[in-house]
Amino acid sequence: QVQLQESGRGLVKPSETLSLTCTVSGGSINSYYWSWIRQPAGKGLEWIGRINSSGNGNSNPSLRSRVTMSVDTPNNQFSLKLSSVTAADTAVYYCAREYYDSSGYLYVDYWGQGTLVIVSS
Amino acid sequence: DIQMTQSPSSLSASVGDRVTITCRASQGINNHLAWFQHKPGKVPKSLIYAASSLQSGVPSKFSGSGSGTDFTLTISSLQPEDFATYYCQQYFGYPVTFGGGTKVEIK
Repeated sequence: QVQLQESGRGLVKPSETLSLTCTVSGGSINSYYWSWIRQPAGKGLEWIGRINSSGNGNSNPSLRSRVTMSVDTPNNQFSLKLSSVTAADTAVYYCAREYYDSSGYLYVDYWGQGTLVIVSS
Repeated sequence: DIQMTQSPSSLSASVGDRVTITCRASQGINNHLAWFQHKPGKVPKSLIYAASSLQSGVPSKFSGSGSGTDFTLTISSLQPEDFATYYCQQYFGYPVTFGGGTKVEIK
C-alpha cells in the first residue's frame, strides 16, 4: 500500500519561502507523477502542480511564478518550494500520487494526510 | 479554468439510505472525472476515476456515472463509515480543478 507523508516547517514568515517534502513509502517514486494540492481553511482545493521522477511536470498558472518542485529519487521523496508567501498561502498542503487512466490522463489515486502551513510574522 | 459545481453542499441521511451527489463541469470533460472521500483527520481516499471506474479496494456500494458535463456519485446503502465529505475532481482541463465538496452527515 502506497503511503505519502508530508513534512516541513509549519510556520513561515511573510515574503519567505515555504518548503515541504513528501516521503513515499510502499512503492517506487519512478513511473508516476507526484503532485501538490492545498486547501485554505473553509475554502476549496487548489491543485498546485505535478512532477515526475525525470523532473518533468507543470504547475498551476496562478502559482507558476512562485512554485519550484523537485524529486529525490534515491530517497523516494519529492519537494515543493513556494516563494514570496503571504497570508493567502496559509493552508493545509497535501502531497499526492497521480496515475494514468486508460485514456492517458492523470488523476490522483493516493493522498498524503496533509500538513498545515501558517504564514504569519 | 474549468469550474466544478457540486450539489448539494451538504446532506443529512440515515444508515441504509441511497445517496446521490452530483458534479457539473463548466465545459465538457469527457469522462475525466474522479471522486474521493475525506474524513476529518484522515487521509483522503480515492473512490472512482474515469467517471465510473472503481478504485482498487473500494466497495461496490460506491458507483459513478456521467460523461461530458454532468456526473453523479451514488452510495447504494449508506453505512456509518461513509459519513464524510466527498469531492469531485476533473483532470481533463489544465489546471486540475475540484468541486467544493459535499458533506454527508447523519440524520
